[in-house]
Amino acid sequence: GENVEQHPSTLSVQEGDSAVIKCTYSDSASNYFPWYKQELGKGPQLIIDIRSNVGEKKDQRIAVTLNKTAKHFSLHITETQPEDSAVYFCAVLNSGYSTLTFGKGTMLLVSP
Amino acid sequence: DTAVSQTPKYLVTQMGNDKSIKCEQNLGHDTMYWYKQDSKKFLKIMFSYNNKELIINETVPNRFSPKSPDKAHLNLHINSLELGDSAVYFCASSQARGESPLHFGNGTRLTVT
Repeated sequence: GENVEQHPSTLSVQEGDSAVIKCTYSDSASNYFPWYKQELGKGPQLIIDIRSNVGEKKDQRIAVTLNKTAKHFSLHITETQPEDSAVYFCAVLNSGYSTLTFGKGTMLLVSP
Repeated sequence: DTAVSQTPKYLVTQMGNDKSIKCEQNLGHDTMYWYKQDSKKFLKIMFSYNNKELIINETVPNRFSPKSPDKAHLNLHINSLELGDSAVYFCASSQARGESPLHFGNGTRLTVT
C-alpha cells in the first residue's frame, strides 16, 4: 500500500515567518495530493490540493508544490499568523482504492 | 448549519461494553467514511460507504460494525470494547470517491477504562 512520510513532526515559527512542511510518497501512480488543517477539538479541513498535472498551486498565503519525479510535495505558508497554529496533514489518494492515506501530521505553532 | 455531525462528542465507558456513535451529513454526499485518530494524531481509514454500500473495510476487528440506514447516515457500533479502542473517531463524507474533498465531523473521543 501507499506509504506517506511527513516532516517535520513539530514546527515553531515567529509570526510573519514562513513555514514549510514536506511529504514523500511511494506509489508513483498516485495523482491527487490534498492538505488538511486540524484545529484543536475539530475535524480536519481541506485547505489546498494539487493534482499531478500541475507543479504548483497558490491560494493567498498558502501554496503547494509537487515534484512527481522525486515523489514529494510541500506545503508553504507565508506571513504566518497565530491562527495558523494547528496540526497539518498531507494526504495521497491511493490509486487502487480511491481512499486517502494521511501523513502523520505536523504541529505548527506560530508565536506572536 | 452543521455539515457533518456526529454524536456523542465524548464517550467514556468500561471494557467489555458495547457502544454506538452516530453520524449524519446534510451535504447530499454519496460517500461516507469512518476514520480513527490515535493518541499520536495518526489518521487511519476504517470504513468507506458509497450509496449505503460498503466499499472499503480496512483491517479493523469485526467488533466494529458500521451501518448505513440511508445515504445521509453512517453509524458505528463497537462490541466488547477494549482499552486499545480509546481514540478519536471521525466521520467524514465526500461527494464521490476519489478526488472529492473530505468533510469531517468534529470527532467522538472514546475513552475505555
